[in-house]
Amino acid sequence: SAVISQKPSRDICQRGTSLTIQCQVDSQVTMMFWYRQQPGQSLTLIATANQGSEATYESGFVIDKFPISRPNLTFSTLTVSNMSPEDSSIYLCSVEDRGEKLPHEQYFGPGTRLTVT
Amino acid sequence: DQQVKQNSPSLSVQEGRISILNCDYTNSMFDYFLWYKKYPAEGPTFLISISSIKDKNEDGRFTVFLNKSAKHLSLHIVPSQPGDSAVYFCSVSGSARQLTFGSGTQLTVLP
Repeated sequence: SAVISQKPSRDICQRGTSLTIQCQVDSQVTMMFWYRQQPGQSLTLIATANQGSEATYESGFVIDKFPISRPNLTFSTLTVSNMSPEDSSIYLCSVEDRGEKLPHEQYFGPGTRLTVT
Repeated sequence: DQQVKQNSPSLSVQEGRISILNCDYTNSMFDYFLWYKKYPAEGPTFLISISSIKDKNEDGRFTVFLNKSAKHLSLHIVPSQPGDSAVYFCSVSGSARQLTFGSGTQLTVLP
């Protein structure tokens, strides 16, 4: 299994500002995922980030609002840009176990709790 | 349109009894079904999964049942323990290998 850390663990930000969330994995992984969990709701996939290529965004999420970097196989960042109170959520990164066993499990970081005032 | 539904936001069970968490899905093309458990201030952790070609998978106190005709799966925990108190997410995986999650069920096991 992979050990994933995220920074910051929580933050309170003012509307109109941006926050960059970091995700660090203790092993090299090809695919990393960024999710959002709004209060009382499910985990929603924002984008898939592969090293060396542009992130693939899900419907409803755009690169200008959620730019992602993936500079190497152990690290990724997600920026929440021009924040509004509706962006208040827990943001989680995850990686996929690409072993032979199916299904490929995903391992999650502890999340970043963002509150926008 | 929700592809995965967990209609019970919460469930309380007495310690030692069985906990049954339910999940419904809409797309018959999903290949795998997974349950994740989430404690406060932690990320979800994988619990148990089942392939679409099976109808039951058991791992210790945890058993997942799949009813493909009804597009329904359930997670049974027996006996339930206070440490099982957490939010349980049902998720599905298709050909794209992305996970789609339900809204979660908060399980509380009372001592």
